Amino acid sequence: GENVEQHPSTLSVQEGDSAVIKCTYSDSASNYFPWYKQELGKRPQLIIDIRSNVGEKKDQRIAVTLNKTAKHFSLHITETQPEDSAVYFCAARGLTGGGNKLTFGTGTQLKVEL
Amino acid sequence: NAGVTQTPKFQVLKTGQSMTLQCAQDMNHEYMSWYRQDPGMGLRLIHYSVGAGITDQGEVPNGYNVSRSTTEDFPLRLLSAAPSQTSVYFCASSYSTVGNYGYTFGSGTRLTVV
Repeated sequence: GENVEQHPSTLSVQEGDSAVIKCTYSDSASNYFPWYKQELGKRPQLIIDIRSNVGEKKDQRIAVTLNKTAKHFSLHITETQPEDSAVYFCAARGLTGGGNKLTFGTGTQLKVEL
Repeated sequence: NAGVTQTPKFQVLKTGQSMTLQCAQDMNHEYMSWYRQDPGMGLRLIHYSVGAGITDQGEVPNGYNVSRSTTEDFPLRLLSAAPSQTSVYFCASSYSTVGNYGYTFGSGTRLTVV
């Protein structure tokens, strides 16, 4: 099945700096890559996603890039703010098995310091 | 729409007890799934369903049962609780079994087995 690795596990940045989180996946047939943000004690929430036929997608201060050849994708957050502090999860949808099954990375704790 | 509703929010069980975690969605989502979240391990898939009457195992199914008698409900049963099942459990649903749609998560159930 699909395997997703996520780095770093913790990331501390100064307010206003950029943050980058990287993920790799194992199933070359995977075709959908969402990112989730989870604030302390809350549920994960979808913040951005990308499909395998697209190389980059932006939404205001966040962007995701996908390199299918290298089987990795990244989340970029620019002009970070304290409210960006949270755990971020990447995920990949492999095509083995059935349904809309997502495999998640182990998460990155992002801390934005004032 | 209420989205995805999970009950209870908190539960303490004794080793060997059984219980059912409830999950209901009112979005007519075909796909539903259960994940457990443990520190440093991300979200791991327990069981999933692609529609009423159809369920399948995920990555960590041992000790858990599911059923899907209606589109709306997807309960998770712990057969004989063990301390290793102490975790936060999330139910998630999505629109399509074969489309690339992100999940909507429930608010989670924090389970402690003593």
